[in-house]
Amino acid sequence: GAGVSQSPSNKVTEKGKDVELRCDPISGHTALYWYRQSLGQGLEFLIYFQGNSAPDKSGLPSDRFSAERTGGSVSTLTIQRTQQEDSAVYLCASSLLSGASGGSTDTQYFGPGTRLTVL
Amino acid sequence: KQEVTQIPAALSVPEGENLVLNCSFTDSAIYNLQWFRQDPGKGLTSLLLIQSSQREQTSGRLNASLDKSSGRSTLYIAASQPGDSATYLCAVKGTGGFKTIFGAGTRLFVKA
Repeated sequence: GAGVSQSPSNKVTEKGKDVELRCDPISGHTALYWYRQSLGQGLEFLIYFQGNSAPDKSGLPSDRFSAERTGGSVSTLTIQRTQQEDSAVYLCASSLLSGASGGSTDTQYFGPGTRLTVL
Repeated sequence: KQEVTQIPAALSVPEGENLVLNCSFTDSAIYNLQWFRQDPGKGLTSLLLIQSSQREQTSGRLNASLDKSSGRSTLYIAASQPGDSATYLCAVKGTGGFKTIFGAGTRLFVKA
């Protein structure tokens, strides 16, 4: 079946502009994660959605970052007034279910990422 | 605050060798631990997920162990192949929320 898809694959923008990054999770997956991977750095958690629960936004680096998940499926990560330090690969992942069991349904499947370059 | 450390940062081995990658974490209150591989310019591929109640998981030539009390996990790769060359990442999900913390990875190069 189809995996996690992200668009665009590459985005070049000017400092100060707003950008929107899109993630299509695997059909039926209720959990969705956004991460950021800067050059030479590890993955940094940004935000997590689980079903209709309030998202865990604890990883968002500033109020310029926001994310939505419409209809429990597609998610959009928005960065307002982009800065050069926002340049990174933004990765999205989904899992079937996330919960206290910690079980195999929590395996995260990643998309190919969006490479964002802010000039 | 959970911190995840991976040692070594880089490893080069000849083809056919068995090897061990290490992951340590500071907070033992975890839901699960996952091992991923990342190929250059690509997304992450899940290799193994170990639940907090488990001690190990196996898939083909890969075996991952978990010792929650000591905050350690190892990924054992048997009979390494050039196709195993990639960066291996370990990730821990804690019980205090849904945040998943990643280590910086071990870059593996298997020489033919």
